[in-house]
Amino acid sequence: EAGVTQFPSHSVIEKGQTVTLRCDPISGHDNLYWYRRVMGKEIKFLLHFVKESKQDESGMPNNRFLAERTGGTYSTLKVQPAELEDSGVYFCASSQVTAGGYTFGSGTRLTVV
Amino acid sequence: AQSVTQLGSHVSVSEGALVLLRCNYSSSVPPYLFWYVQYPNQGLQLLLKYTTGATLVKGINGFEAEFKKSETSFHLTKPSAHMSDAAEYFCAVTVNTNAGKSTFGDGTTLTVKP
Repeated sequence: EAGVTQFPSHSVIEKGQTVTLRCDPISGHDNLYWYRRVMGKEIKFLLHFVKESKQDESGMPNNRFLAERTGGTYSTLKVQPAELEDSGVYFCASSQVTAGGYTFGSGTRLTVV
Repeated sequence: AQSVTQLGSHVSVSEGALVLLRCNYSSSVPPYLFWYVQYPNQGLQLLLKYTTGATLVKGINGFEAEFKKSETSFHLTKPSAHMSDAAEYFCAVTVNTNAGKSTFGDGTTLTVKP
């Protein structure tokens, strides 16, 4: 089966611009998660979708971040406007059950300059 | 709230030596525990997990971990390191009430010397 796909793999944008990251989970995985790793620190939770519904968005840093999951399939994470501190690696993960461990994508490395 | 502490951000071993990566967790309810590995330019890959039952769990690539409730630990071991084990390793905890949301440690980079 195809894995979790994220694109772009890298993005360099200027402060104030908008960037949209996309994640295609494994087909049939209702649970989709976004995580972020900043400056080599710990991987932090951003939000969790169950199908198209946001189950938990407690980790979203502020209202410049907007996540959607169209029809319970792929998800997008938009950052608008981007700030320097948004730089990091954004990971998407999916799972069939909520406590069985995830399948991760390769991540999107976002650099805001 | 849960937390994870990985002792040692960098661990170096010789090829063929024992690998021991330490993980301690904090959780007020029974935890589910995971180890993930990240090879360069790849995503995280699930190595092994503990949910319930046997406290010694075996994973891929010869790794295993033991859940010790009394010590709140979930250390990762491998009897004999291989060059291909060089990667970054992450310990993570989740609890059933969190709907799968995991808390990760800072990661440990394993270097294997020839």
